Amino acid sequence: SQKIEQNSEALNIQEGKTATLTCNYTNYSPAYLQWYRQDPGRGPVFLLLIRENEKEKRKERLKVTFDTTLKQSLFHITASQPADSATYLCALDLTGGGNKLTFGTGTQLKVEL
Amino acid sequence: EAQVTQNPRYLITVTGKKLTVTCSQNMNHEYMSWYRQDPGLGLRQIYYSMNVEVTDKGDVPEGYKVSRKEKRNFPLILESPSPNQTSLYFCASSSRLAGRNNEQFFGPGTRLTVL
Repeated sequence: SQKIEQNSEALNIQEGKTATLTCNYTNYSPAYLQWYRQDPGRGPVFLLLIRENEKEKRKERLKVTFDTTLKQSLFHITASQPADSATYLCALDLTGGGNKLTFGTGTQLKVEL
Repeated sequence: EAQVTQNPRYLITVTGKKLTVTCSQNMNHEYMSWYRQDPGLGLRQIYYSMNVEVTDKGDVPEGYKVSRKEKRNFPLILESPSPNQTSLYFCASSSRLAGRNNEQFFGPGTRLTVL
């Protein structure tokens, strides 16, 4: 069966450290992989997209890697801040059309002072 | 301001009483979707639309209907709600233009409780 797995346990890190979140998938061949941030009671907000032929993508303090052999994406936040505390969702775009995404359940990140 | 709006934001209803959740976007996006979010299950797509009068089932379409008569609006209809449709619902839109990130813009959510 097809599965997307994100660590369901909350990740607690200290301010200033790098947070690394994992998204593993099985039995999918996504064209794109996206990462979203979701704050409590609010809709997800798009952060980054990485294509199947890209290994790494960066945006300010964010970095995403995509290993289609391992079927894994890693999401890094460097120099983390308490304001980065949120739930982070990965989503697979199987068609590349952007209209049909399959989401993981998300990992909650808490950045402590 | 570019946004997706949903109404109502909160709704408590009873089993079998038809309801509609409205969704509107002001970004001229072709694609629109409805998701439900449940603890431990994440976001699951209910229906999506690629343009006016073009809709298709997502992963969990049972018990829901949609329509896309105008590009900006994509209402979600529950003809006979049941308690297992108690959930947090999100509408989203995205552009199909080449070169875009295909990012989805989400609405603020509608928390529905069916008693």
